[in-house]
Amino acid sequence: QSVLTQPPSVSGAPGQRVTISCTGSSSNIGAGYDVHWYQQLPGTAPKLLIYGNSNRPSGVPDRFSGSKSGTSASLAITGLQAEDEADYYCQSYDSSLRGVFGTGTKVTVL
Amino acid sequence: EVQLVESGGGLVQPGGSLRLSCAASGFTFSSYSMNWVRQAPGKGLEWVSYISSSSSTIYYADSVKGRFTISRDNAKNSLYLQMNSLRDEDTAVYYCARGEMHFDYWGQGTLVTVSS
Repeated sequence: QSVLTQPPSVSGAPGQRVTISCTGSSSNIGAGYDVHWYQQLPGTAPKLLIYGNSNRPSGVPDRFSGSKSGTSASLAITGLQAEDEADYYCQSYDSSLRGVFGTGTKVTVL
Repeated sequence: EVQLVESGGGLVQPGGSLRLSCAASGFTFSSYSMNWVRQAPGKGLEWVSYISSSSSTIYYADSVKGRFTISRDNAKNSLYLQMNSLRDEDTAVYYCARGEMHFDYWGQGTLVTVSS
């Protein structure tokens, strides 16, 4: 079972900005563990999008940004594009459960 | 180029066993921790198991503890997941993923279907 809560879906028109929240607790995000984000396009494996709360791997556009505060984290997508339509997952570490994922958010481009 | 290729999935009856493999290439396998992550059909991601680079540290999700065993052979650049006493709820695509605290490379996944 997921211990990190995300909204099931978010949507926006091309060019708009959307944000995805990831809410944890004092045993994971609030304990100081980093948050990471993955993008999963339909029918493909997840891809690392943001690591260490706000760092982008090489090749990830700067339209994607991450932040963390307290027991929550956020992923922002600015200048939304049709190719951004995908499922997004946050992930952190929990002292009792090791790797923990968020419930996942489907981004729809209107 | 980093590549992770899973194999070994298939159809198995409840209570049965299956062994998954993940062949790694394009990086020094023996220097990296590895994980198994699964995704049930139409569902989200679930972390399953972790093994350190030297196999000295191993963790499991509660949902598979006592039934699954992770292992690796650094000489063969391979990661394994022995799955016993399989249940319907173990039906999923199983991915191997590289990393300690986050997962920077993933395989394409192998489908495990548990059904009678």
